[in-house]
Amino acid sequence: AQKITQTQPGMFVQEKEAVTLDCTYDTSDPSYGLFWYKQPSSGEMIFLIYQGSYDQQNATEGRYSLNFQKARKSANLVISASQLGDSAMYFCAMRGTGTASKLTFGTGTRLQVTL
Amino acid sequence: DAGVIQSPRHEVTEMGQEVTLRCKPISGHNSLFWYRQTMMRGLELLIYFNNNVPIDDSGMPEDRFSAKMPNASFSTLKIQPSEPRDSAVYFCASASGELNTEAFFGQGTRLTVV
Repeated sequence: AQKITQTQPGMFVQEKEAVTLDCTYDTSDPSYGLFWYKQPSSGEMIFLIYQGSYDQQNATEGRYSLNFQKARKSANLVISASQLGDSAMYFCAMRGTGTASKLTFGTGTRLQVTL
Repeated sequence: DAGVIQSPRHEVTEMGQEVTLRCKPISGHNSLFWYRQTMMRGLELLIYFNNNVPIDDSGMPEDRFSAKMPNASFSTLKIQPSEPRDSAVYFCASASGELNTEAFFGQGTRLTVV
């Protein structure tokens, strides 16, 4: 079974600062993918970044980077130089292979960027 | 491609009525997911199809819920009879079969059962 855990219901960060959103996961699948999505107040789900379980390097996409620690089963999202528009819900998700290739989400972290 | 298309965007119905939510996935995607989002329960996976076949429906809350995917370009989620506790935003998402590809979400259907 797959499980995603996000232990931070809410986070605050000042504009231009960096913030880390935590995500831990559990799976028995040897091959899997980890994803982060952003959901602004308008409601749409926006894909941010992907990390494969066999990727040697941490994924980066612009101001987003993923701190992947496979042994600790963590895939934390780092947002650098926060902007007011980053205020949103952030979801960590996992997809396995075969019958486990459904996409499972964590409970989300609400990020508020302040001036 | 227009992305994942869901209809209707908003639905208000009376308790006991049948509700049908529709989804058109992105062409070429062979995985389709239905999610329900509420404040209390977050984003729950209801059912997952691969190549039009239901693979995992363990998240379907009860027999009042059913989902079909008659072909690669269309899926429905039906609630019969609807209850006020079914009020939520229902998302459909599609993805290719490749592990390293993200799922694309529709805009969601906001369902209100009164």
